[in-house]
Amino acid sequence: DVKVTQSSRYLVKRTGEKVFLECVQDMDHENMFWYRQDPGLGLRLIYFSYDVKMKEKGDIPEGYSVSREKKERFSLILESASTNQTSMYLCATRTPGQLGSYEQYFGPGTRLTVT
Amino acid sequence: DQQVKQNSPSLSVQEGRISILNCDYTNSMFDYFLWYKKYPAEGPTFLISISSIKDKNEDGRFTVFLNKSAKHLSLHIVPSQPGDSAVYFCAARPKGGKLIFGQGTELSVKP
Repeated sequence: DVKVTQSSRYLVKRTGEKVFLECVQDMDHENMFWYRQDPGLGLRLIYFSYDVKMKEKGDIPEGYSVSREKKERFSLILESASTNQTSMYLCATRTPGQLGSYEQYFGPGTRLTVT
Repeated sequence: DQQVKQNSPSLSVQEGRISILNCDYTNSMFDYFLWYKKYPAEGPTFLISISSIKDKNEDGRFTVFLNKSAKHLSLHIVPSQPGDSAVYFCAARPKGGKLIFGQGTELSVKP
């Protein structure tokens, strides 16, 4: 069973704070993703990483950065948190090697509130 | 530009009846489609998928239908159970690209 864990389930931060969200997976998957989920907007991709030290912007990267120093860990950084970054943040992983399988495995999510 | 659309934000169904969740897409280059289920305070979990070369895939109570000419995907749940109450996301993958998710439909199955 794939296990994807996220460092916090709930987080409250103040405007302007630097926020770190961590994601750890135990299945040696190359690909890792950060999404945010907002009502009526579904899941939107913020950043993804194909492998260690490799990252690419998703659809909404503004205000975020990421770090992947080890294969199992993918961090999302909010450089200066703002109230419009209040959201549910979801980490996901997948391995590109499985033929015909594109499913991603998600962590439990972090509900971030910026006040 | 929303390439994957779930136009119904919510759906209410009686226990034992059929639930039909719909998804429309605009990109004819999508080659793979998936459905995810999400309970509150949990991450989405994979439910069922279908390749663009097929028009139907069945797994127990869940069946996904793909109509390529209409660019329409649907998920049928028969019979619906209260434990099926969740938000359902459809997702599509363009060949070589990343998954694109719809907005989600909240299904409520009433006893």
